[in-house]
Amino acid sequence: DAGVTQSPTHLIKTRGQQVTLRCSPKSGHDTVSWYQQALGQGPQFIFQYYEEEERQRGNFPDRFSGHQFPNYSSELNVNALLLGDSALYLCASSLRQLNTEAFFGQGTRLTVV
Amino acid sequence: GDSVTQMEGPVTLSEEAFLTINCTYTATGYPSLFWYVQYPGEGLQLLLKATKADDKGSNKGFEATYRKETTSFHLEKGSVQVSDSAVYFCALFNTGGFKTIFGAGTRLFVKA
Repeated sequence: DAGVTQSPTHLIKTRGQQVTLRCSPKSGHDTVSWYQQALGQGPQFIFQYYEEEERQRGNFPDRFSGHQFPNYSSELNVNALLLGDSALYLCASSLRQLNTEAFFGQGTRLTVV
Repeated sequence: GDSVTQMEGPVTLSEEAFLTINCTYTATGYPSLFWYVQYPGEGLQLLLKATKADDKGSNKGFEATYRKETTSFHLEKGSVQVSDSAVYFCALFNTGGFKTIFGAGTRLFVKA
């Protein structure tokens, strides 16, 4: 079992650009959540996808959007990047029916310059 | 809403000292509680967990007991090592919320 995998591991973008991060959930999981962890802070919930729809959303602007594919993998898109978007982006997967803990990937470190 | 509060850091200890990092939570229902560890430049690693009241989670010499009466989940280790230097996050996963809620993290420095 590969667990939750994220790609890329590191990324550098310029202000104003757009970025797409990818996540493959743990085998058997159907729900994917995304978190942003700014330097020196705890992870903050961005949104959650289940059955290819956004089900819950945290306090993030519309520049942050996502998608879930039929195979349960997910993408996080951020448009019009700001310097403040520099952070570690974590993906977590879970099985909605059992509603047990989420399993986290190692994250994508995004640097906006 | 649900929340987690943990002691502010940094915490600086000498090797072989006793460690306690306090964590309290506010939640409806019966959440599962977790401690995650993050080493420099890395992602989150699950350190230990407890899913119901009075459960004790343990791993690598770390322990934490789910205390519903005091809504606490304090992390302890009897003898820390330099390699334990990291940031520790207390977190909860509530069956009603479908998301993990984290504390702000506590940075631990262990000196040789």
